[in-house]
Amino acid sequence: GAVVSQHPSWVICKSGTSVKIECRSLDFQATTMFWYRQFPKQSLMLMATSNEGSKATYEQGVEKDKFLINHASLTLSTLTVTSAHPEDSSFYICSASSDSFDGYTFGSGTRLTVV
Amino acid sequence: DAKTTQPPSMDCAEGRAANLPCNHSTISGNEYVYWYRQIHSQGPQYIIHGLKNNETNEMASLIITEDRKSSTLILPHATLRDTAVYYCIVSLLWGKSTFGDGTTLTVKP
Repeated sequence: GAVVSQHPSWVICKSGTSVKIECRSLDFQATTMFWYRQFPKQSLMLMATSNEGSKATYEQGVEKDKFLINHASLTLSTLTVTSAHPEDSSFYICSASSDSFDGYTFGSGTRLTVV
Repeated sequence: DAKTTQPPSMDCAEGRAANLPCNHSTISGNEYVYWYRQIHSQGPQYIIHGLKNNETNEMASLIITEDRKSSTLILPHATLRDTAVYYCIVSLLWGKSTFGDGTTLTVKP
């Protein structure tokens, strides 16, 4: 079945530094990838939609200069949290879709803690 | 995306069927009903989806009303490992998904 690998599964970084999260589709080509953020005891909040080879589309209220998304290939999308602050601490999850199946496959998530 | 309404929580006895309802009264004709579940601190897992016909797979059954304004996810024989938050989402095929608050299902021994 379709598998999405997300790395790292957790990361602790210092305030002011940048963190990159990778999302890879292992056995399919992901034409579209989505990035979500989830705070404790809350639902997933869509941050942005990325299509291979084009600029990401950000949801209202999400700073595109702070959350840099790159989808340079059909199997890899990255989310970089720039100049991270403690309020950016959250669970970040990616998902991918493909023309070959109708649902979405989610990564296992990355827990970011900014200290 | 159409909004969905789900009860915040439900309990189910182990081995019994779990029926999780979802209202999506503003669904449009080309929007699908998707169900996902999320076990604590993991990424969501796809369960099933449908357009207007009832669907069944190895995990669950999806019953969609004729007017498509509501649906029910059925886990036929719930186990303790089915304890999770279940999300009902309405979206276009390959379209973006907006997650609501979901239903926390607790399966009890």
